[in-house]
Amino acid sequence: NAGVTQTPKFRVLKTGQSMTLLCAQDMNHEYMYWYRQDPGMGLRLIHYSVGEGTTAKGEVPDGYNVSRLKKQNFLLGLESAAPSQTSVYFCASTSRQGHGYTFGSGTRLTVV
Amino acid sequence: GQQLNQSPQSMFIQEGEDVSMNCTSSSIFNTWLWYKQDPGEGPVLLIALYKAGELTSNGRLTAQFGITRKDSFLNISASIPSDVGIYFCAGLNYGGSQGNLIFGKGTKLSVKP
Repeated sequence: NAGVTQTPKFRVLKTGQSMTLLCAQDMNHEYMYWYRQDPGMGLRLIHYSVGEGTTAKGEVPDGYNVSRLKKQNFLLGLESAAPSQTSVYFCASTSRQGHGYTFGSGTRLTVV
Repeated sequence: GQQLNQSPQSMFIQEGEDVSMNCTSSSIFNTWLWYKQDPGEGPVLLIALYKAGELTSNGRLTAQFGITRKDSFLNISASIPSDVGIYFCAGLNYGGSQGNLIFGKGTKLSVKP
């Protein structure tokens, strides 16, 4: 099925460990986004990309890095995980500004 | 930065009742979007509004883009159990950071059969 696929779906990390979350879309969308969702906080933008090879910071970028080496993939990295990064992470994409985003089903990350 | 105030935070209603929720902002938006999130899933787009004053329906859902461009509401008529979930409003301003969506904090809807 066409859409946005996130891997993994669940992960538990120890403080200080690193990991990469993968987002893949098969809709040829230019724009891709990483959000985190915490109870009572809604969705907050971490980083985004307006095209292959470009990335930019969102509202809460600290502690995260991203890369968009291929148009269809957007990677979110945690270099040294902290308990404050326990959250549900969502990737989204869109073909152009002003249109609704398509979201993945999320990655639930727990940092202990 | 821009913020959206979404209300109510939560609602407990009886099956068959109508539901109304809204979002307000201190800034103008060019686009308003309404999403629904089921447990364990990502948000899914319900309705998109692109013009001030626009009223759009999607089945039992109706949403309006406020004439001032600073607010939007979503109505659900004759609620059913599968309407349970969290509803998010989102605003988009082309003049903002590359046109990124700003999300409200959500309205959690519970429906009693």
